[in-house]
Amino acid sequence: DIQMTQSPSSLSASVGDRITITCRASQSISRYLNWYQQKPGKAPKLLIYTASNLQSGVPSRFSGSGSGTDFTFTISSLQPEDFATYYCQQSYSTPPWTFGQGTKVEIK
Amino acid sequence: EVQVVESGGGLVQPGGSLRLSCAASGFTFSSYWMSWVRQAPGKGLEWVANIKQDGNEKYYVDSVKGRFTISRDNAKKSLYLQMNSLKAEDTALYYCVRDWSLFDLWGRGTLVTVSS
Repeated sequence: DIQMTQSPSSLSASVGDRITITCRASQSISRYLNWYQQKPGKAPKLLIYTASNLQSGVPSRFSGSGSGTDFTFTISSLQPEDFATYYCQQSYSTPPWTFGQGTKVEIK
Repeated sequence: EVQVVESGGGLVQPGGSLRLSCAASGFTFSSYWMSWVRQAPGKGLEWVANIKQDGNEKYYVDSVKGRFTISRDNAKKSLYLQMNSLKAEDTALYYCVRDWSLFDLWGRGTLVTVSS
């Protein structure tokens, strides 16, 4: 199975900051990498699919990049509503689909 | 409204069984793979199982193989997860999710607690 390693596991940042989260796959997954946001008590929400495509309705301050084994998720200017936990997820070839362990973004 | 709604969770003893259901509406259910994804309390997300549009192809995470069975009824626009031989580590919020290798539609989840 493909393992996904996210870093950092948590970070503290201020409103307006640029933040970056990385996700590394245990083998090449081409660009089959998705990013989700989860707020407390809520279901996850798809933000980015196939590495860099912005889901409909998602603000442009969110972006993703990468291919192969290394991927990056960026929020260009952190907003109050962006404090949440973010997960990467691979969907290469056939299941099992696997998630990263999550990155909790907290207010500094 | 496009949505999926889970039901069937509850408290069950170790070794027991439970059947989760998911009712879909607002989209052509029979056109999509569907998945179950779970989240243990305070933990991350774990994909559990998925099923092809016609029900003829299914995949499972290793930890539930032989114990859980995913199924669907396209006429009823419903997805199911039969869970047998439940263990404490199966305690989680179980989400029904529309799956086309990305998860774009999630329910609110149904909580399964395995405890004596």
